[in-house]
Amino acid sequence: DSGVTQTPKHLITATGQRVTLRCSPRSGDLSVYWYQQSLDQGLQFLIQYYNGEERAKGNILERFSAQQFPDLHSELNLSSLELGDSALYFCASSVSRAAGNTIYFGEGSWLTVV
Amino acid sequence: GDSVTQMEGPVTLSEEAFLTINCTYTATGYPSLFWYVQYPGEGLQLLLKATKADDKGSNKGFEATYRKETTSFHLEKGSVQVSDSAVYFCALSAYGGATNKLIFGTGTLLAVQP
Repeated sequence: DSGVTQTPKHLITATGQRVTLRCSPRSGDLSVYWYQQSLDQGLQFLIQYYNGEERAKGNILERFSAQQFPDLHSELNLSSLELGDSALYFCASSVSRAAGNTIYFGEGSWLTVV
Repeated sequence: GDSVTQMEGPVTLSEEAFLTINCTYTATGYPSLFWYVQYPGEGLQLLLKATKADDKGSNKGFEATYRKETTSFHLEKGSVQVSDSAVYFCALSAYGGATNKLIFGTGTLLAVQP
């Protein structure tokens, strides 16, 4: 158990819908990351927050947004869903944003868009 | 930009065989290097890491040495077990800057047969 908690574990929804994925980082970790894992794209970095502020943005679609709340939990919002958004979404956390810090991953949220 | 290249899989070995999974990287500066493992149906777990040149990371019988001169971080294990069957990801975290996000390779599937 990494200490990073993600909900829901599985989600099936229809095209055009909106979903919210939730992440609780490890106790004391200030930095939260979101990744998307799909068969064709591999592991893609989406976005990073540090202590409530956006720190880096990767290949995140405009239909997707995220935020980190004052209690440090984070949410990833996916809207106008398409079939191609079906993937495993990982949240991860680390104590800081220093290079070399270990980044711990949750078990992921499986999203299936039908 | 920064990138990681891993050998293509799948790698199929018999139990007790020697394992090498090649990983090379491209980065400006001096990144930190990681190996993560993903067991079937699970999230990503840190296997080992190295934060500077010539460092050797080791865990559970796996080893990897940070070779700056060849920009490599090959994963090795002297005697694999069936329980090592998983997908292995090489990753880097760039030095400096505003983010320590991980950049992953494509992953290498290892299948160990009894």
